Amino acid sequence: GENVEQHPSTLSVQEGDSAVIKCTYSDSASNYFPWYKQELGKRPQLIIDIRSNVGEKKDQRIAVTLNKTAKHFSLHITETQPEDSAVYFCAARHYNNDMRFGAGTRLTVKP
Amino acid sequence: DVKVTQSSRYLVKRTGEKVFLECVQDMDHENMFWYRQDPGLGLRLIYFSYDVKMKEKGDIPEGYSVSREKKERFSLILESASTNQTSMYLCASSLGDRASYEQYFGPGTRLTVT
Repeated sequence: GENVEQHPSTLSVQEGDSAVIKCTYSDSASNYFPWYKQELGKRPQLIIDIRSNVGEKKDQRIAVTLNKTAKHFSLHITETQPEDSAVYFCAARHYNNDMRFGAGTRLTVKP
Repeated sequence: DVKVTQSSRYLVKRTGEKVFLECVQDMDHENMFWYRQDPGLGLRLIYFSYDVKMKEKGDIPEGYSVSREKKERFSLILESASTNQTSMYLCASSLGDRASYEQYFGPGTRLTVT
């Protein structure tokens, strides 16, 4: 099955700086790559996603890039704010519907 | 607004007990998933279902079974609970339509096995 690796496991940045989280996947048949944000005590929620036929997608301060050849994708958060502090998960969806998640990155934005 | 609910937020069971975790979604989603979440390990897929009575194993199905008799409901069963199954269990659902693969999560059930 699909294997998703995520780095770093923890990330601390100063407010206003950028944050980058990277993921790699193993199965070239995966076709959808979402990013979820989980605040403390809450359920994961989708913040941005990208499909395999697209190289980059942006939504205000967040962007995702996908390199299909290298089988890796990244989340970029610019102008970070304290409310961006959370655990972020990447995931890869296989064509047969199952979804595999990375181990998560705990992002701390220091004011 | 998609709503995914889970039967309990907190559950305490004894070793060897049979445990049922229920998940219900109200958006007519085809796909439903069970994950367990442990610190440092992320969300690990236990089972998923893409249709009524259909199920597929995820990465860690040992010690678990599932049931999907109705489209809106997906149950996770621990046949004989063990202490290493103490964890947060998250249910999720998604459309089977390629227009949207977004997963919607339930609030989670924190299970403690003593």
